[in-house]
Amino acid sequence: DQQVKQNSPSLSVQEGRISILNCDYTNSMFDYFLWYKKYPAEGPTFLISISSIKDKNEDGRFTVFLNKSAKHLSLHIVPSQPGDSAVYFCAASEETSGSRLTFGEGTQLTVNP
Amino acid sequence: KAGVTQTPRYLIKTRGQQVTLSCSPISGHRSVSWYQQTPGQGLQFLFEYFSETQRNKGNFPGRFSGRQFSNSRSEMNVSTLELGDSALYLCASSLGLAGVIGELFFGEGSRLTVL
Repeated sequence: DQQVKQNSPSLSVQEGRISILNCDYTNSMFDYFLWYKKYPAEGPTFLISISSIKDKNEDGRFTVFLNKSAKHLSLHIVPSQPGDSAVYFCAASEETSGSRLTFGEGTQLTVNP
Repeated sequence: KAGVTQTPRYLIKTRGQQVTLSCSPISGHRSVSWYQQTPGQGLQFLFEYFSETQRNKGNFPGRFSGRQFSNSRSEMNVSTLELGDSALYLCASSLGLAGVIGELFFGEGSRLTVL
C-alpha cells in the first residue's frame, strides 16, 4: 500500500524554465510534508517542508503547494538550473510519528543547459 | 559540524549471512532512524531509536533489528540475508524532540549487495 506516490519517474526541463514535481498521498492523517533532494552517491538532503495548516511555503526558488482536499502537493522550482538535476523525494509524516517519514518513489529531474 | 557517518559504505554478503551496519549521528542529535532504499520503492522506514530505546518500527521482518548506544551511535543488523535485502541502507539523525517534526539529516548510506 503506497501511501505516498510520485507518478512521474522522470522529468526533463530546460534551464531557466519552471520545474513542477507532483506528489499524491492517501493517508488523511498526514499533517506534515517534506521534499528531499538526492544526488548520486549522497544521502538525501532536506529541501523544503509544509504543514497541513498552510497551502503554500516558499524558500527562494523553491515553492511547495499543498491541496489537502485533493491530497496533492507539488514542488515548483523557478528558474530551474542544471545543478537542480537530482532525484526528488516527497515525504509525509504524522505529528505523532516522530522521525517516521513515508516517502514516495522519487522523481528524477534533469535540467538541460 | 560533522554530518552523519555510516560505515561501511559498501559491502557484499552471501545469502544466509548476517550483516551489521553502523551510524554515527550529528553531535547533539538523539534520534537515529534507518531507511531502506531499493529501486522503484523509494525509502522504506525500518525503525527509529531515541535515547537507546526503539521509538518506532516499520513493517519489516524480525530479521531486521537495531540498537542505539548511550552516545547515540546506532547499529542495525540483518540476519539470514536474502537476495531481496540488497539495497542502500540510509541512516538519518535528528534532535528527535517529542511532538516536533524536524528535518532529518541523512548519511551517505551503506550499499549492501547479497549474492
